[in-house]
Order: sequence, then structure tokens, then C-alpha cells
Amino acid sequence: NAGVTQTPKFQVLKTGQSMTLQCAQDMNHNSMYWYRQDPGMGLRLIYYSASEGTTDKGEVPNGYNVSRLNKREFSLRLESAAPSQTSVYFCASPPGWGSRTVYTEAFFGQGTRLTVV
Amino acid sequence: QKEVEQDPGPLSVPEGAIVSLNCTYSNSAFQYFMWYRQYSRKGPELLMYTYSSGNKEDGRFTAQVDKSSKYISLFIRDSQPSDSATYLCAMSSISGTYKYIFGTGTRLKVLA
Repeated sequence: NAGVTQTPKFQVLKTGQSMTLQCAQDMNHNSMYWYRQDPGMGLRLIYYSASEGTTDKGEVPNGYNVSRLNKREFSLRLESAAPSQTSVYFCASPPGWGSRTVYTEAFFGQGTRLTVV
Repeated sequence: QKEVEQDPGPLSVPEGAIVSLNCTYSNSAFQYFMWYRQYSRKGPELLMYTYSSGNKEDGRFTAQVDKSSKYISLFIRDSQPSDSATYLCAMSSISGTYKYIFGTGTRLKVLA
């Protein structure tokens, strides 16, 4: 019972390189989110996907793209990494629209620590 | 002004103390109020949630919401060293955007 799994756990990139962060959930949830967490800034929403086939921008989408590959998987891509994208990235998945718990419990992955040099 | 404000701490207390963690917010549309606990190098996990105003108790933890003051609190009684973590408040509303707005988190250390 893994819940939300993120890969990789750590990554160092050079400025201008690209990479994709992977996220998969095995809870059969419709919604999936990507957050970044920075000191003093809390968790900020980058992109979210309310259901398979839909994606929307969050608070800080610039420099990122996402793909909802299927119901289980939601990837985050950095096309040209910048030092400002050094952060800890979390994927999260709430139970889904229509359930009362959609507004409450988001299950989080363990995070990806990304450093851009 | 941020939608949710939270004192970042750090907050150090002796074992057994009562801890009070707080957040203020500006958006009156928020209806769900949550507290997440995050251990070092781990993802956040839900601790408690409340809907609208009122109190909710779960063991040593009590969550309070005062919508008139736009103020929420988490109390931890008989604090333990295992409670040492960062506590994040989060809020959401039935707006159709699935947005959880998080506070910056308060780092708590309970000293044995």
C-alpha cells in the first residue's frame, strides 16, 4: 500500500538542463497536485489535475509543464532548469471531487529534493 | 498580504507542556481547516481537520476555528519529543478549484 510515490528522491541539475519528476498514486483518486516547498514560503501549488485528461495552473506555474498520463500518473517537467527552481517538490492526491474528504485530506509523496546549479 | 499567515517559529517547549499553534487568514470563503504535520525530510500528513467554526478533539490534539476572527489554532497537550515536527495549517473552500492554501509552517521542538 504505497499511496503516493515520487521519483527521483534527489536530483542535481545544471542550469538549462531539463528533467521530469514522476508521481504515481495507487488509491484510485481522480485529483493530483504538484507543490513546491521553500523555506519561509510554505507549500505553493504549481499545477493540479482534477481528473484524468485535465490540468490547470496553480499559483506558481511558470517554468513548468505537466502531463496527466493516466489516472495513476502525473508528471512535472522542467524544460530549462533555473537556480530559482531549487526546491523540494511534493506530489499530492486527495480522494476526489464529490467526496467530503476532497477538501481535507491530501495524501503526499515523500518529496523530490532538486538542486539547480 | 498572504491569504494564510503562520508564525514560522521555531518554538521550543519542555516535554509535557501545552503547545499552541496558530494561523490567521483573510479569505472568508474558506470552510475547511486542516493541520498537517511534517517530519524532517518527509511529506506532510494530515493530523486533524474541522469544517466551519468550532472545536475538534483527537487524543492530545485539539483544533479550534473562529471564523469571526479568521483565526485557527491547534493545541497539543502533554507534548512529547515525538511531536517535534513542522506543523502546517491549510485551508480550502468549495470553489471548484481544488486549492489547498497552506501556511508557511511552524517548527516545533519538544525537549526531553
